[in-house]
Amino acid sequence: DSGVTQTPKHLITATGQRVTLRCSPRSGDLSVYWYQQSLDQGLQFLIQYYNGEERAKGNILERFSAQQFPDLHSELNLSSLELGDSALYFCASTKVVGASYGYTFGSGTRLTVV
Amino acid sequence: QKEVEQDPGPLSVPEGAIVSLNCTYSNSAFQYFMWYRQYSRKGPELLMYTYSSGNKEDGRFTAQVDKSSKYISLFIRDSQPSDSATYLCAMNNQAGTALIFGKGTTLSVSS
Repeated sequence: DSGVTQTPKHLITATGQRVTLRCSPRSGDLSVYWYQQSLDQGLQFLIQYYNGEERAKGNILERFSAQQFPDLHSELNLSSLELGDSALYFCASTKVVGASYGYTFGSGTRLTVV
Repeated sequence: QKEVEQDPGPLSVPEGAIVSLNCTYSNSAFQYFMWYRQYSRKGPELLMYTYSSGNKEDGRFTAQVDKSSKYISLFIRDSQPSDSATYLCAMNNQAGTALIFGKGTTLSVSS
């Protein structure tokens, strides 16, 4: 167990729907990163939060949004889902803002859009 | 050109072989280099971390960084079936916030 908890582990939903993925960072970690992993694109950075504030955005679609709450857990919201959004979504956390010391990843949420 | 290039493999070796995994990158500002191991249906786990150029050894694993060539390597000695996984290189610059990952190389070690 890495200490980063992601729920749910699996999610199957229909096109056009909206889902929420949840992440609880490792105890003491203030920074949360969301990544999408697909077979053709690999791990793609979506967005980063540090202590409740958005710090960096990557290749995140406008249909996607995220937030980090006062208790430091984070949620990734995916709306108007398309077949191409099917992927593994990972959350990772670090103590500091920069990722220079490496991330601790959760086990991921496998999203299947049908 | 992608910022980080990594041959996806698959790479199949017999138990006990020396494995060499490599990545190239284009951003000369990258300072921090990491290797992650990802087992099937699991999240990536940090294996090796190197700052700037040079070598780092940890047990059967050696990470090398050649910044002049923009090339990093991971060597696995005496490979074991338990090393069968996908290996991802990752890197970022000193002021950056997000790690940039290679697509990963899938390794299979047969007994």
